[in-house]
Amino acid sequence: GESVGLHLPTLSVQEGDNSIINCAYSNSASDYFIWYKQESGKGPQFIIDIRSNMDKRQGQRVTVLLNKTVKHLSLQIAATQPGDSAVYFCAERDGGFKTIFGAGTRLFVKA
Amino acid sequence: GAGVSQSPSNKVTEKGKDVELRCDPISGHTALYWYRQSLGQGLEFLIYFQGNSAPDKSGLPSDRFSAERTGGSVSTLTIQRTQQEDSAVYLCASSFSGGELFFGEGSRLTVL
Repeated sequence: GESVGLHLPTLSVQEGDNSIINCAYSNSASDYFIWYKQESGKGPQFIIDIRSNMDKRQGQRVTVLLNKTVKHLSLQIAATQPGDSAVYFCAERDGGFKTIFGAGTRLFVKA
Repeated sequence: GAGVSQSPSNKVTEKGKDVELRCDPISGHTALYWYRQSLGQGLEFLIYFQGNSAPDKSGLPSDRFSAERTGGSVSTLTIQRTQQEDSAVYLCASSFSGGELFFGEGSRLTVL
């Protein structure tokens, strides 16, 4: 079936560096993409979203890039902090409400 | 409360028993979702409810799993004749009309 997956299961970065988390999706009909952060023992928390009519969206310290040609999106975190250590999930929708999540990337921030 | 509330937070049961997991969504949210998360894994879609529409049950793994949403608010996920492979964290989320999902902290199910 359709799925959303990630290139890297784990990512380790130095505090203060920028982080880039990648995600590939296979459903060309998907028109809405979301990034979530999940800390240990908690439910996922919304970070940022982007619709398919955009290729870039910026938030506070985070930027999401969408490349529909190769069905790829990425999450960039500027000046990564220890509090950014978590598992990050990309998710997609194809016009409805059903939201499909990818496998996740664990981000480790080294002090 | 202000957020999505799930109960119980932890449930240990014996193989073959039935379990019920409850979700109280954020007041006014029209959509409610259930996901399953095995240890160290991603979120597996189970079911979602939107308003008065028929639920999308396409993610339920077997007929032992069912869910209902009463009065457009509280939802119960029922797992009959539990198996060890059902052990996971069951996450509930709600959203307002297709917006971002707000998750509860999950119900951890352990089947012995």
